[in-house]
Amino acid sequence: QQPVQSPQAVILREGEDAVINCSSSKALYSVHWYRQKHGEAPVFLMILLKGGEQKGHDKISASFNEKKQQSSLYLTASQLSYSGTYFCGTVHTDKLIFGTGTRLQVFP
Amino acid sequence: DGGITQSPKYLFRKEGQNVTLSCEQNLNHDAMYWYRQDPGQGLRLIYYSQIVNDFQKGDIAEGYSVSREKKESFPLTVTSAQKNPTAFYLCASKGQGFLRVNTEAFFGQGTRLTVV
Repeated sequence: QQPVQSPQAVILREGEDAVINCSSSKALYSVHWYRQKHGEAPVFLMILLKGGEQKGHDKISASFNEKKQQSSLYLTASQLSYSGTYFCGTVHTDKLIFGTGTRLQVFP
Repeated sequence: DGGITQSPKYLFRKEGQNVTLSCEQNLNHDAMYWYRQDPGQGLRLIYYSQIVNDFQKGDIAEGYSVSREKKESFPLTVTSAQKNPTAFYLCASKGQGFLRVNTEAFFGQGTRLTVV
């Protein structure tokens, strides 16, 4: 039931790109993306809606494939501040459920 | 400023005790959620509520209880029946939006509970 994210962890140098994937076993109407710094609350990044509407972040992009029940988050020209754990979230019958998480570390 | 507040930030519990974690929001959100996070793990849903005086079990509700007597408040009680309560607990709230899918969740700063 919990969305599955891949990869589990990513290590990058500053300026490199990364893709984080989120896959659900259930039909998706929307996908949320959040980033959490260690010991802090998750912070909203982006929502993608069925039908293509998108709401969120200027420097991060994402795609949403409704047929495949998948979403991908694209981090381009990564910065040190991008480090953290990324979660996708899906809404099913009023439940907001989060994926398994992807830990991203960006080094200088 | 609108936001969501959890207290306390750190909580220590003796075995066999019940403890209550507070969550208050002034965002006028209908939906509220409680999640548990273990080291290196994702967020697992404990309980959620879409309306006052109504709440639903999440995926790991055993050993926990909640109440929703006011729209702004959604306290979580960790009972003695929860055998492994040491974790980071996060509360979130969310507006309803269109079909409840197009609004983001706002999180509190979390409560770190430790059993001593």
